Amino acid sequence: EPEVTQTPSHQVTQMGQEVILRCVPISNHLYFYWYRQILGQKVEFLVSFYNNEISEKSEIFDDQFSVERPDGSNFTLKIRSTKLEDSAMYFCASRETGGGQGSDTQYFGPGTRLTVL
Amino acid sequence: AQRVTQPEKLLSVFKGAPVELKCNYSYSGSPELFWYVQYSRQRLQLLLRHISRESIKGFTADLNKGETSFHLKKPFAQEEDSAMYYCALTPITGGGNKLTFGTGTQLKVEL
Repeated sequence: EPEVTQTPSHQVTQMGQEVILRCVPISNHLYFYWYRQILGQKVEFLVSFYNNEISEKSEIFDDQFSVERPDGSNFTLKIRSTKLEDSAMYFCASRETGGGQGSDTQYFGPGTRLTVL
Repeated sequence: AQRVTQPEKLLSVFKGAPVELKCNYSYSGSPELFWYVQYSRQRLQLLLRHISRESIKGFTADLNKGETSFHLKKPFAQEEDSAMYYCALTPITGGGNKLTFGTGTQLKVEL
């Protein structure tokens, strides 16, 4: 069964450094998402992406964050200048259809644990 | 604004006992409700959704619009049910269908 994959599984970085988290969504899926979960807190929506553009973003997703689909398979989240509070588990998810009535299942990747020192 | 509340951080039951994981939501429009489960060291995976009205692994959940609840139930808990359970909501129409999650309930099934 196809799965969403994410790399790396764990990333350690220094405050102020740029990081890129990578995701390979399921191949026929059209909608892509990033969520994050700070330790001990709920899973929070960051951004959704469809048809090569952001369709919705949360207030967490400020100018330090960007997303890109550089080729036909990868979906990346970039944090330009990491802060201590960016330490979290970052989940990528993908969904087959492009919206409308009802919603198809979002399939999640295993997550990337980002630690900012 | 959308909000999902799971009042219990931890629920501990004995094997064979009934389980009810509570979920309440707040949303002005028509929501779709989900239960996601995360077993130890595994990814979030969909357990069930209210639209499909099916029973998965013996779990059921009924959307109660009057009480704005979507509690997850199972009549007889099994050891393998021990996991983290998240209730989530998305608007039925429009937009990118982002999921709004509750804080999760850790279910521990003891022998």
